[in-house]
Amino acid sequence: GAVVSQHPSRVICKSGTSVKIECRSLDFQATTMFWYRQFPKKSLMLMATSNEGSKATYEQGVEKDKFLINHASLTLSTLTVTSAHPEDSSFYICSARENGQGLGQPQHFGDGTRLSIL
Amino acid sequence: QKEVEQDPGPLSVPEGAIVSLNCTYSNSAFQYFMWYRQYSRKGPELLMYTYSSGNKEDGRFTAQVDKSSKYISLFIRDSQPSDSATYLCAMSVGGYQKVTFGTGTKLQVIP
Repeated sequence: GAVVSQHPSRVICKSGTSVKIECRSLDFQATTMFWYRQFPKKSLMLMATSNEGSKATYEQGVEKDKFLINHASLTLSTLTVTSAHPEDSSFYICSARENGQGLGQPQHFGDGTRLSIL
Repeated sequence: QKEVEQDPGPLSVPEGAIVSLNCTYSNSAFQYFMWYRQYSRKGPELLMYTYSSGNKEDGRFTAQVDKSSKYISLFIRDSQPSDSATYLCAMSVGGYQKVTFGTGTKLQVIP
């Protein structure tokens, strides 16, 4: 159980292109999803917290107009990198927290999207 | 000082060895502790999820939390080549709050 599907797994595109990445929870509902960026040999860097039906919460230093997040349903969040440039090249990973009660729920991760901007 | 410190390794062990992976942290408010395994070019996979201090066992994996020392460990018994991956520790103050990750320890189990 607790499967998160992320698509696409790999994107190569020209500078100035906008790229959309999808994150789906396949067998559970997730009011809250998260978007991370991971650099080689570095920790996961939280970019934003996506909440179903409301605006995303962005971490300090992350441009909300650059990284558009939409969480329109309990099983889908999307991240759009607008007008991407080479410095946006990275490994983007989403995670979803299963709705529940009690002591809390851990996050389950997708397999990531490797974005390369030429 | 980073909130969560983790030795990046790499750590190389022979097949069948007991592996000990560790993290230290500075925020005494952390209550929830997790270990994730990440294979190359893949997302992290949840291995263990624990609340507060003590031990938790799941198959060949044992997670240990010592809140007094702000120290957590993951033990892998009878290590296998398929255990070769990067192991990330993670922790949060509340069960539904922001998670802070370590940088990960790269483990290689040699056949």
